[in-house]
Amino acid sequence: ELKVEQNPLFLSMQEGKNYTIYCNYSTTSDRLYWYRQDPGKSLESLFVLLSNGAVKQEGRLMASLDTKARLSTLHITAAVHDLSATYFCAADLYNNNDMRFGAGTRLTVKP
Amino acid sequence: DARVTQTPRHKVTEMGQEVTMRCQPILGHNTVFWYRQTMMQGLELLAYFRNRAPLDDSGMPKDRFSAEMPDATLATLKIQPSEPRDSAVYFCASGLYPDSNTIYFGEGSWLTVV
Repeated sequence: ELKVEQNPLFLSMQEGKNYTIYCNYSTTSDRLYWYRQDPGKSLESLFVLLSNGAVKQEGRLMASLDTKARLSTLHITAAVHDLSATYFCAADLYNNNDMRFGAGTRLTVKP
Repeated sequence: DARVTQTPRHKVTEMGQEVTMRCQPILGHNTVFWYRQTMMQGLELLAYFRNRAPLDDSGMPKDRFSAEMPDATLATLKIQPSEPRDSAVYFCASGLYPDSNTIYFGEGSWLTVV
């Protein structure tokens, strides 16, 4: 059974600070997805990581994938209030886009 | 602006009633997913289809839930009979496999069973 574990589950940050969200998964999948969800809204795709060592960046967010360690990270640089949301990672079970999600990290960025 | 469209957006129904949720995937997408989100269980994959064929519905309670794709532009998720524990947000998502690995989510159907 695929397990996807995120930590921390809750994160309160000051604006301007840096932090990292971790995502561990249990399969040999080499695909990892990151999504953002605002309260009461749908899920928005942030990154799709497809190979070991993949790194993608968009604005203040950078995601990386280490398939050997079965670990992905989402790094937040100089956080701003607009980044407050819940961030989910998801892993494929069969490299088939059939994503299984972690529990999510609820990020709050405070002034 | 291509997007996944779900109906109804909100539904309140009484226990025992049949509920049908509908999804129109992005035109041309060949893979459709149904997810359920609750506070307790998070996001769970219920079922998914590729080229209208069911690939995996192991996450779906078979006794009361059913998922179908009558055609390439419509996916349905039916609950009969509904129970209070089915209260959740049901998301439909679609993608184009293997050309793209980005899966796009609809706005969700918010279901409350009383």
